[in-house]
Amino acid sequence: GQNIDQPTEMTATEGAIVQINCTYQTSGFNGLFWYQQHAGEAPTFLSYNVLDGLEEKGRFSSFLSRSKGYSYLLLKELQMKDSASYLCAVRDQGYALNFGKGTSLLVTP
Amino acid sequence: DAGITQSPRHKVTETGTPVTLRCHQTENHRYMYWYRQDPGHGLRLIHYSYGVKDTDKGEVSDGYSVSRSKTEDFLLTLESATSSQTSVYFCAISESANEQFFGPGTRLTVL
Repeated sequence: GQNIDQPTEMTATEGAIVQINCTYQTSGFNGLFWYQQHAGEAPTFLSYNVLDGLEEKGRFSSFLSRSKGYSYLLLKELQMKDSASYLCAVRDQGYALNFGKGTSLLVTP
Repeated sequence: DAGITQSPRHKVTETGTPVTLRCHQTENHRYMYWYRQDPGHGLRLIHYSYGVKDTDKGEVSDGYSVSRSKTEDFLLTLESATSSQTSVYFCAISESANEQFFGPGTRLTVL
């Protein structure tokens, strides 16, 4: 089975940096995904890590440590539009994803 | 954006009635998935398909069935809807082991 944990809520200030952590315990591992979901909308893909290390994509970066079962999503230069839920998901042996419960991020002025 | 549509987008129904939700894609992706999303639970996989007529159960498949007779369509059926199936249902597609693309969702209320 899968156990994926991430904080329920976080608050950060516009222009700042925020790190959202995700820890997982899985029976198999074939990649970790981060999605962004605005209220009332569908999740949209942010990043994918399958090897250890940091993947950078503009203001967003994602880090993975497979030995520690740990990932984080780093958001820089926060903007008000970054207020959303951030979903961590792990793919095991198949193609289906197992999602954490999501982290609701509030960006304040 | 990936070409994924879901219908209906909103539905209210009564306990005990059958309900079918449709997911349609224009991307010719091999894999299709049905998830439900509920407060406090996140996204949970109901069923998925890895090809025409090839489907498998996910984490919360009880009370649901699926069919995929064409590459582009993946149907989710609630044979006899219950109030516990009130949820937002998302369809997703993928071609490879990488990212899945999600449809706009269907909000289902079972009274």
